[in-house]
Amino acid sequence: SQTIHQWPATLVQPVGSPLSLECTVEGTSNPNLYWYRQAAGRGLQLLFYSVGIGQISSEVPQNLSASRPQDRQFILGSKKLLLSDSGFYLCAWSWGTEAFFGQGTRLTVV
Amino acid sequence: RKEVEQDPGPFNVPEGATVAFNCTYSNSASQSFFWYRQDCRKEPKLLMSVYSSGNEDGRFTAQLNRASQYISLLIRDSKLSDSATYLCVAMFSGGYNKLIFGAGTRLAVHP
Repeated sequence: SQTIHQWPATLVQPVGSPLSLECTVEGTSNPNLYWYRQAAGRGLQLLFYSVGIGQISSEVPQNLSASRPQDRQFILGSKKLLLSDSGFYLCAWSWGTEAFFGQGTRLTVV
Repeated sequence: RKEVEQDPGPFNVPEGATVAFNCTYSNSASQSFFWYRQDCRKEPKLLMSVYSSGNEDGRFTAQLNRASQYISLLIRDSKLSDSATYLCVAMFSGGYNKLIFGAGTRLAVHP
């Protein structure tokens, strides 16, 4: 069966510090991978998606970047965090129409 | 205009009530539709897909009206455990499956 792992679960980082969130998928090959952000009380905003290794598309301009160094690994990063980067970050994968989410990372930038 | 719009609620209902959520989408190219459930501080999980013919899963019934670009979710005989946020999702394929989420409708079922 397929599983998705995302870590860390919670993170508190100072403004200006770097960020690296990692997501890995098991049990499937060549999945579509996504990073979403959910601000408090708001819906999910698609940040990045990837259809293959090294193929990253950004949905919105922002202070974040993404990389896919391996087929089932998706990394979200930032060189310098802003206060506005706080939120709940969710990694997801899809094969077909259904999307499956990781447990999320709650990021607080202070 | 948001691509997927929902009434944010909250809907406060007693146990046993029937509650209906509505959702509209703006992109007529959207191909598939879903309802996801999200518990507080958790990841969203698929509740059910939505088909034009309507589909039912136990106490839950979903309906799609493509002409009106409207999606609905009906929950009958509400349980305390139904308390959550319900997310309406539209998907269209353009090289990848792009899922667009509504902001969610919060449901609180009380005794």
